[in-house]
Amino acid sequence: DTGVSQNPRHKITKRGQNVTFRCDPISEHNRLYWYRQTLGQGPEFLTYFQNEAQLEKSRLLSDRFSAERPKGSFSTLEIQRTEQGDSAMYLCASSFPATSAETQYFGPGTRLLVL
Amino acid sequence: AQKVTQAQTEISVVEKEDVTLDCVYETRDTTYYLFWYKQPPSGELVFLIRRNSFDEQNEISGRYSWNFQKSTSSFNFTITASQVVDSAVYFCALSGRSQGAQKLVFGQGTRLTINP
Repeated sequence: DTGVSQNPRHKITKRGQNVTFRCDPISEHNRLYWYRQTLGQGPEFLTYFQNEAQLEKSRLLSDRFSAERPKGSFSTLEIQRTEQGDSAMYLCASSFPATSAETQYFGPGTRLLVL
Repeated sequence: AQKVTQAQTEISVVEKEDVTLDCVYETRDTTYYLFWYKQPPSGELVFLIRRNSFDEQNEISGRYSWNFQKSTSSFNFTITASQVVDSAVYFCALSGRSQGAQKLVFGQGTRLTINP
């Protein structure tokens, strides 16, 4: 399977704990995106990487959120001191503009529940 | 500002009926892309189609067809002879050059239920 993969698929945590999610993009895709989707809503953009550089962050990304893509391949999204409002599906997508003309391919998501 | 509106929150039809999902968008960009994604219960967003703003030709792929009209800022999606496997949430999305990162702006989605 050469699609976008995300781990874990599900995470239950207690309020105040830190959590980290991982995204492995499609090989050779140099752009990687994180989105958040709450129940009944469409996904909302969080942040974006081109290779290892984080080029844009949404205002939704509070100081408790940090994302990295250290070698320009996989990416991690960490949430510190989780709050119940962080409960959502976190989606990762990747694209390779030269060949896919900005089409983003999504992974299966990580569903987070903060108790 | 970019905005996508999917006015139909839920649609329920009987199998084999045709169904059209509406999408209306707002953008000030002259170059932009429109997308449709399908989200089955498993949660993964599945890419269906991409259209750029200079290509207003309608497209047909099997039972799926898309009608892009710049004059009304609409990009509607029709499923012909619907099947139970078409049941999912469908999202329309927009990205524009002014956004730099080509991030997608999604509508709220339309939950489609096909009843046997």
